[in-house]
Amino acid sequence: EAGVAQSPRYKIIEKRQSVAFWCNPISGHATLYWYQQILGQGPKLLIQFQNNGVVDDSQLPKDRFSAERLKGVDSTLKIQPAKLEDSAVYLCASSLDPGGEQFFGPGTRLTVL
Amino acid sequence: QQQVKQSPQSLIVQKGGISIINCAYENTAFDYFPWYQQFPGKGPALLIAIRPDVSEKKEGRFTISFNKSAKQFSLHIMDSQPGDSATYFCAASGDNQGGKLIFGQGTELSVKP
Repeated sequence: EAGVAQSPRYKIIEKRQSVAFWCNPISGHATLYWYQQILGQGPKLLIQFQNNGVVDDSQLPKDRFSAERLKGVDSTLKIQPAKLEDSAVYLCASSLDPGGEQFFGPGTRLTVL
Repeated sequence: QQQVKQSPQSLIVQKGGISIINCAYENTAFDYFPWYQQFPGKGPALLIAIRPDVSEKKEGRFTISFNKSAKQFSLHIMDSQPGDSATYFCAASGDNQGGKLIFGQGTELSVKP
């Protein structure tokens, strides 16, 4: 069974630029999560989708971050404009349903200069 | 009340020794407590999980001990091996959280040969 795929694996941008990350969850997984992991900290949930609907985006900085999950499969997370403090690893995870075991992708390491 | 506090931040253990990592939580609505293992450049992977209806769960060399009254849980790694060197995260979630995981800060474990 293929795991959660993410791209790109690494991205370096200047502050105020925009960036987008892509996630392909495990086939059949209805729930998709985006986490932000700052160096030396645990992952923090940014947004949770159930199929193509948003379940929880309470910790998403909506003035600069946006996410979508068209057709309830792949998802993209966008940051525009980026700030220095956005430097982190962005992890995508999926589960069969809410509360099910979450499987994580390898993450995208973002560096904002 | 949503926090999960994890200690120690780092741990060095000799091969064959016991590694112990502790976590504490405040939210009594939490009812699912997983531990994740993360290697450099990889996403977290579920190691073992427990629900509050039992006080201990063992899978191979890994044991979770759970103290509901103290709102604490811990991970014990018996016969620690160099291959166990990784960062370990505890987490917590509740039925009313929709699967949202609250992670601890992480423990970097190094097992010396």
